[in-house]
Amino acid sequence: GQQVMQIPQYQHVQEGEDFTTYCNSSTTLSNIQWYKQRPGGHPVFLIQLVKSGEVKKQKRLTFQFGEAKKNSSLHITATQTTDVGTYFCAGDFGNEKLTFGTGTRLTIIP
Amino acid sequence: KAGVTQTPRYLIKTRGQQVTLSCSPISGHRSVSWYQQTPGQGLQFLFEYFSETQRNKGNFPGRFSGRQFSNSRSEMNVSTLELGDSALYLCASSLLRSGGPTGELFFGEGSRLTVL
Repeated sequence: GQQVMQIPQYQHVQEGEDFTTYCNSSTTLSNIQWYKQRPGGHPVFLIQLVKSGEVKKQKRLTFQFGEAKKNSSLHITATQTTDVGTYFCAGDFGNEKLTFGTGTRLTIIP
Repeated sequence: KAGVTQTPRYLIKTRGQQVTLSCSPISGHRSVSWYQQTPGQGLQFLFEYFSETQRNKGNFPGRFSGRQFSNSRSEMNVSTLELGDSALYLCASSLLRSGGPTGELFFGEGSRLTVL
């Protein structure tokens, strides 16, 4: 079936360190989206990547979409306590629904 | 602009009962999707409605059903509740459903269901 694998499941980093989460699909994606869910909250849209090899930046966050449109990554530079939460990728296989990865829970050690 | 509203926010049911959850999308959004979120399984797609028609369905048993009304409000129903149905049920609305790239999803706060 169409699945999106996301690693790692958990990540604990010292404040100020970098953080990266990865998503992989066995089949080509039409596009991929990233969401952040704060503890006790609901997922909030961060960004959508559509083009092969696309790279987008939002302040300390860098999003990449692989050349083959099968993988994506989110990199946070110099983490802050406000970055705490679970980061989900969500892949669109062209069937008008999003398939979410299992998420990476980020905790920050002050 | 009001966000996605889900009711009730919390509810407790017992096995065998049924439950109905409601979702009011953002004004102008015609697509409503439902997801089940559990600690072990993450976000699992239940179904999606657009203009009162179910366009997509996830891999859930027939006990899970939904519908959408002409004003785009949606309800989902779970019958014969099981302990494993305990979860956060999230509704999301979207503006872009024209066959192009999937639009951004706007999630509600969710309805947390506990089955005893």
